[in-house]
Amino acid sequence: ETGVTQSPTHLIKTRGQQVTLRCSSQSGHNTVSWYQQALGQGPQFIFQYYREEENGRGNFPPRFSGLQFPNYSSELNVNALELDDSALYLCASSSIGQGLINSPLHFGNGTRLTVT
Amino acid sequence: GESVGLHLPTLSVQEGDNSIINCAYSNSASDYFIWYKQESGKGPQFIIDIRSNMDKRQGQRVTVLLNKTVKHLSLQIAATQPGDSAVYFCAERSGYSTLTFGKGTMLLVSP
Repeated sequence: ETGVTQSPTHLIKTRGQQVTLRCSSQSGHNTVSWYQQALGQGPQFIFQYYREEENGRGNFPPRFSGLQFPNYSSELNVNALELDDSALYLCASSSIGQGLINSPLHFGNGTRLTVT
Repeated sequence: GESVGLHLPTLSVQEGDNSIINCAYSNSASDYFIWYKQESGKGPQFIIDIRSNMDKRQGQRVTVLLNKTVKHLSLQIAATQPGDSAVYFCAERSGYSTLTFGKGTMLLVSP
């Protein structure tokens, strides 16, 4: 069973630039969520995708956007990067099955984004 | 909004001791709770979960206790080992909403 994989592992960008982070879900999972984790904090929910549609969003501005592909892989895009966007970005997958019961989230090891 | 928090930011124990990590939650509608372990440079790793219709669940060396009356969750680790050193997060969910995480507790295990 392949776990959640994310790329790249580290990234340095300049304020104002745009970034795309990628995620491959764990096999058999049909839902992907993205979280932002600042240093010393718990992960904060950005959004969730199910069947290629966003079906939940946290308190993040529209410059944070995403995509889920038919193979359940996903992208997180951030436009107009700000210094405060520096964080670990975590992708997590799960499975919504019969009865719409979510399985536990399984996380990748994240992408460390530094904005200078 | 609703939030999940932890009482102790750092817990130091000796190898072989039992560890107890506590968590308070505020959303009375939460019906599902999870504990995650996060080692340096890695993503959160699922440890154990519990639904609100239970008050105790056991895994391998770990036990989760849920007290809905006082909205309190705890993780007990038996015979703590140096490899258990990590940050532990509790997280809660209401219905089909996403997980809300607390700030985490650092567990330090001395040999």
